[in-house]
Amino acid sequence: GNSVTQMEGPVTLSEEAFLTINCTYTATGYPSLFWYVQYPGEGLQLLLKATKADDKGSNKGFEATYRKETTSFHLEKGSVQVSDSAVYFCALLIQGAQKLVFGQGTRLTINP
Amino acid sequence: NAGVTQTPKFQVLKTGQSMTLQCAQDMNHNSMYWYRQDPGMGLRLIYYSASEGTTDKGEVPNGYNVSRLNKREFSLRLESAAPSQTSVYFCASSVGTLSYEQYFGPGTRLTVT
Repeated sequence: GNSVTQMEGPVTLSEEAFLTINCTYTATGYPSLFWYVQYPGEGLQLLLKATKADDKGSNKGFEATYRKETTSFHLEKGSVQVSDSAVYFCALLIQGAQKLVFGQGTRLTINP
Repeated sequence: NAGVTQTPKFQVLKTGQSMTLQCAQDMNHNSMYWYRQDPGMGLRLIYYSASEGTTDKGEVPNGYNVSRLNKREFSLRLESAAPSQTSVYFCASSVGTLSYEQYFGPGTRLTVT
């Protein structure tokens, strides 16, 4: 089946630290991969996407590269801010399927 | 544009009571979804509606029913609430089911005692 596994949280960092949140997937077809972010008290928002192998998605200083050989899509940011505190979800969509499959989410807290 | 709106924001029910969660979108999207979010489990799809007039089961449909009232509105009904249905419920919409970008509402926090 199709599934997404994210690193266990919560993750706590200091401002300006480097961030990595790991995401690996299992898929029967050729998935597109996404990172969604949920700020406190809000619904999820699409953060970035990659639709084929070796694509790099980027937005708001965050990046993730679609690695087919390692079935991974790790989220990175070079210098985090307090405003990045949120829950981050990795997700996949199989071509021809009708729904997203989400990982369990990783809570990130950035301390000033 | 309001995007995706949900009512109510909070609700407390007793076991066995019924209620309907309302969702509306003003983006002229074809597809709508209901998810539940539980700690450590991410989002799980309850039901979805690929287009007006159609609904399909997702990963965890038991204990729920849905109605796609029109293109804008998609409601979720709990006929006989159980403590296991305590969760945060999110409605989402997208242009189509093959569209990866789903737009989410702010959520409804439901507690069943």
